Amino acid sequence: GAGVSQSPRYKVTKRGQDVALRCDPISGHVSLYWYRQALGQGPEFLTYFNYEAQQDKSGLPNDRFSAERPEGSISTLTIQRTEQRDSAMYRCASSRTGVGWNTEAFFGQGTRLTVV
Amino acid sequence: KNEVEQSPQNLTAQEGEFITINCSYSVGISALHWLQQHPGGGIVSLFMLSSGKKKHGRLIATINIQEKHSSLHITASHPRDSAVYICAVKYPPPGTYKYIFGTGTRLKVLA
Repeated sequence: GAGVSQSPRYKVTKRGQDVALRCDPISGHVSLYWYRQALGQGPEFLTYFNYEAQQDKSGLPNDRFSAERPEGSISTLTIQRTEQRDSAMYRCASSRTGVGWNTEAFFGQGTRLTVV
Repeated sequence: KNEVEQSPQNLTAQEGEFITINCSYSVGISALHWLQQHPGGGIVSLFMLSSGKKKHGRLIATINIQEKHSSLHITASHPRDSAVYICAVKYPPPGTYKYIFGTGTRLKVLA
């Protein structure tokens, strides 16, 4: 696709429900990143994939959060048993490669998750 | 203390003013990225730099590696420049895939 596409754009869910957020990276981009952005804050790193391999998940806040990228393209971030504190903008980004100082990441529009 | 700090946090300017947004970071980096976040939430890349200065239209970005500091300048500001400007850094290997973001500078340019 022309850019990084995320769906849904907005998600309102009840506390305790599971949610799945989808990211479709730019075609051919090897690396994919998930970030979370609280209101008024900069994004915070969640996890990183190189092809289908999840190479860093150090930013996932707890074991309710998981991510996969089974075929090295589309990725899904899943939050189980959602809590109100999970409410945030979830951003996906992709880049041609991950390693390299000048590898620019392109960001999706984000999914705004609200847990009520 | 955040690893990446931006100042000011909020800035209101009159149309035509010269604007400077600052970014300071605490550790050695391999690259720094200036991003623009629109009111609708989309993030657009402005500059990626590791040394010196880059210019694109009315935007200029500079970086001083020794002082661990970067500035984003907007000349002849316009209301359409109103957005949140975010500074993000990349560490040297092996962490070069990961961005560390500043909290952003909210700019409002009045007509």
